Amino acid sequence: GQQLNQSPQSMFIQEGEDVSMNCTSSSIFNTWLWYKQDPGEGPVLLIALYKAGELTSNGRLTAQFGITRKDSFLNISASIPSDVGIYFCAGQKRNAGNMLTFGGGTRLMVKP
Amino acid sequence: DAGVIQSPRHEVTEMGQEVTLRCKPISGHDYLFWYRQTMMRGLELLIYFNNNVPIDDSGMPEDRFSAKMPNASFSTLKIQPSEPRDSAVYFCASTPPGAANEQFFGPGTRLTVL
Repeated sequence: GQQLNQSPQSMFIQEGEDVSMNCTSSSIFNTWLWYKQDPGEGPVLLIALYKAGELTSNGRLTAQFGITRKDSFLNISASIPSDVGIYFCAGQKRNAGNMLTFGGGTRLMVKP
Repeated sequence: DAGVIQSPRHEVTEMGQEVTLRCKPISGHDYLFWYRQTMMRGLELLIYFNNNVPIDDSGMPEDRFSAKMPNASFSTLKIQPSEPRDSAVYFCASTPPGAANEQFFGPGTRLTVL
């Protein structure tokens, strides 16, 4: 089963609103990544985080690597219709080779 | 530059038939991953290769599944015989040297087994 708990499972917001989602685990991860998946496509990497406490931005997206190494957060500011999709967190553990563990995803819907 | 290429994009087959999914990773990438995505189980890693060598196949569901990577530019995932519960979207992903956790995904193959 999935080791990463992602919440919320879905969000329906108004265009222009800010969005927050998070990913938690009982295990420690050395790397956190956030992906977005559009309908009918594969996930696309948005942000990669490599250090506890790290805060990284990519345009309107900001992600943080939790200080405990057991969680990560993604914020989207001033949402627009093209933000619609499924957002996945993924973590990599020490000594796990190059394997990633994925969360269950947050489905974002934006009302124009 | 071309991304990860997968074929076919859609496959509909009958139970018991053999299915072969194909993947061409991004040129120069040295890791290749096969995933399966379903509503119930999300994204599951099936197997991954490094420099064409299988490293971990613990996610392969059962002996009906097999994967090969005969060279750096081609990999296949085969299901024989296929079953309805194999219906899912299968993704291939590759990573460049030195950034092995930044995976680039292909568009996926949607498999339906009737």
